[in-house]
Amino acid sequence: AQSVTQPDIHITVSEGASLELRCNYSYGATPYLFWYVQSPGQGLQLLLKYFSGDTLVQGIKGFEAEFKRSQSSFNLRKPSVHWSDAAEYFCAVGARNTGNQFYFGTGTSLTVIP
Amino acid sequence: DADVTQTPRNRITKTGKRIMLECSQTKGHDRMYWYRQDPGLGLRLIYYSFDVKDINKGEISDGYSVSRQAQAKFSLSLESAIPNQTALYFCATSDTGFPDTQYFGPGTRLTVL
Repeated sequence: AQSVTQPDIHITVSEGASLELRCNYSYGATPYLFWYVQSPGQGLQLLLKYFSGDTLVQGIKGFEAEFKRSQSSFNLRKPSVHWSDAAEYFCAVGARNTGNQFYFGTGTSLTVIP
Repeated sequence: DADVTQTPRNRITKTGKRIMLECSQTKGHDRMYWYRQDPGLGLRLIYYSFDVKDINKGEISDGYSVSRQAQAKFSLSLESAIPNQTALYFCATSDTGFPDTQYFGPGTRLTVL
């Protein structure tokens, strides 16, 4: 069965510090991977996605993620966090073999302190 | 104007009442989805539709029904609301061709007393 695990429920970082949010997936075929961000009171917005090719993908707002097949991971990174990055972050996998559904992780809440 | 709109944005209702949540999109996408979000559980798929005549159950469809009135409109109904359906509900759309980016509405906060 497809699943997405985000081990960190909540992370706190200082403004200007680097950030890494973890995502592990379980999927039997080539995964289609996404990171979304949800600001307070808003819907989800796509940060970046991986379908194939270069395993390091760049997204909006200075985020990047690296697909590591051997570790079944797709971790999100940012070199220097801004206060406006405080939000909920969701990793998701697209599963073609189960009716083209998307499966989301439980989310990581990011707090940025001055 | 927003590409994906949801009405109402907030709703408080009582157990046993019938509730309809509506979603409209101007992106011209064929595919539409309904999710619910619960704290600690992330987003879970309720129903999805690949076109007007194609509707599919998702992970947690029990207690819900949907109607795809047109390409641009996808409604979610709770025939007899119960308290554990209290959640944040999101509509999303995507273009034809899987996988594709999903575009989310702002959400509807539903409280069932």
